[in-house]
Amino acid sequence: DTAVSQTPKYLVTQMGNDKSIKCEQNLGHDTMYWYKQDSKKFLKIMFSYNNKELIINETVPNRFSPKSPDKAHLNLHINSLELGDSAVYFCASSSEESGNTIYFGEGSWLTVV
Amino acid sequence: GNSVTQMEGPVTLSEEAFLTINCTYTATGYPSLFWYVQYPGEGLQLLLKATKADDKGSNKGFEATYRKETTSFHLEKGSVQVSDSAVYFCALSDQSGNTPLVFGKGTRLSVIA
Repeated sequence: DTAVSQTPKYLVTQMGNDKSIKCEQNLGHDTMYWYKQDSKKFLKIMFSYNNKELIINETVPNRFSPKSPDKAHLNLHINSLELGDSAVYFCASSSEESGNTIYFGEGSWLTVV
Repeated sequence: GNSVTQMEGPVTLSEEAFLTINCTYTATGYPSLFWYVQYPGEGLQLLLKATKADDKGSNKGFEATYRKETTSFHLEKGSVQVSDSAVYFCALSDQSGNTPLVFGKGTRLSVIA
């Protein structure tokens, strides 16, 4: 069973479109994250939610809107996609009970054309 | 603030060579330290971790020792294999659980037969 699963794995879309990436974790963790990895492999946090509450929101355009319907899900919606949004987006989760180890999903490869 | 510095890559080694990837960190308090590995086309996977000074994390022949006096967590393997080719990320996490991982920029390792 996949612990942190995200869909879709690959997404190619045109500039200006709106798209969503879904994430679910079955680890019982109470904290979830979205990270962005650019073409140079720089990995940066975008958002962090704890028990459905936003606790970290790095400098990210407001075209990006995370939504957490429950503590097992954290979806990422992106409006008006731009070429620079092309990247790999990783969902992750953690909990204090797991020693703060962060478990990552397999990534969603987004290409904006 | 917290930061992680790891050696620039790429690193190219012959099979069975000894591997060292340097990692140093800056942090307040007592962070947990991690090494993550990203194989081509896949997401990040936890390789090993250490949660306090002098702890040694180990997995799949890889080792790293948490050295508080030198603020380092160097990754080593005595004999690398072609299958070890990947990008390796050093990272730290605040033990309070409220600070997400801070990552190094990653070191690409290529092992040739």
